[in-house]
Amino acid sequence: DTGVSQDPRHKITKRGQNVTFRCDPISEHNRLYWYRQTLGQGPEFLTYFQNEAQLEKSRLLSDRFSAERPKGSFSTLEIQRTEQGDSAMYLCASSLAYPSGTYNEQFFGPGTRLTVL
Amino acid sequence: QQQVKQSPQSLIVQKGGISIINCAYENTAFDYFPWYQQFPGKGPALLIAIRPDVSEKKEGRFTISFNKSAKQFSLHIMDSQPGDSATYFCAAILPAWAGSYQLTFGKGTKLSVIP
Repeated sequence: DTGVSQDPRHKITKRGQNVTFRCDPISEHNRLYWYRQTLGQGPEFLTYFQNEAQLEKSRLLSDRFSAERPKGSFSTLEIQRTEQGDSAMYLCASSLAYPSGTYNEQFFGPGTRLTVL
Repeated sequence: QQQVKQSPQSLIVQKGGISIINCAYENTAFDYFPWYQQFPGKGPALLIAIRPDVSEKKEGRFTISFNKSAKQFSLHIMDSQPGDSATYFCAAILPAWAGSYQLTFGKGTKLSVIP
C-alpha cells in the first residue's frame, strides 16, 4: 500500500498526558499537512510542511501542540498536557508541491482517533 | 467564522435517485472547489473538483454545478447507489500565489442510499 499511513490508529489517554502521532506520507510528496476532525465536523487545518520547513500554522495549533518533519519524510504531531477538548480524529495528508501555480491533490491518511479521558 | 457552509447535514435517497448537496462560500478569493468522500474509518478522498471559471463539471455519475455570482456550488449524484453511502464534504482553497495550501471544509453531509 503506497498511500498515506498513520500510527497509531487509535489512542486513549488520560487528561494531562502527552501523546505523539506519526504520519508517513506518499514517498515522493514534498508537502505534508495535519488536520483535526471532530465529530460531525469537517477537517480543520492545523499546519503544513514543505520538505522539513513548517510554513503555515493555524490558530488552532496552540502552544501545547508541536509538529515536526525532521528529514522531510515522516512527520510527528505531539500534544502536551492533553485536555478533553483535544479528543478528535487527527488526519495527515500529503501532496506534491509541483507543478507550482496549480492545485496539487491532497491525499489523506486514515487518521488517528484520540480519546482523552 | 465558517467560510464554507454545507447543507443538508444528512440526506436519505432511494437507490436510483438523485442526491444533491449544496455549499456556499464567503471568501471570493477561493479559486478551487473540491468535493471529498469519506467512508467510516477512512480519511477523505477527492471525488471531483471545479474551478470558478467553469459552471459545470461532470465525471461519471457525479456533477458539480457552480454559480460564481451567488457564491454557491453543489454536488449532484445521479443514479445513487448504496455504495455511495458516505459523508461528503465540500471544500475550498485559495490560489497558489496566496501561499496558503489549507483546505477549508464544510461540515459534511451524511448520505444514506437505501435499496
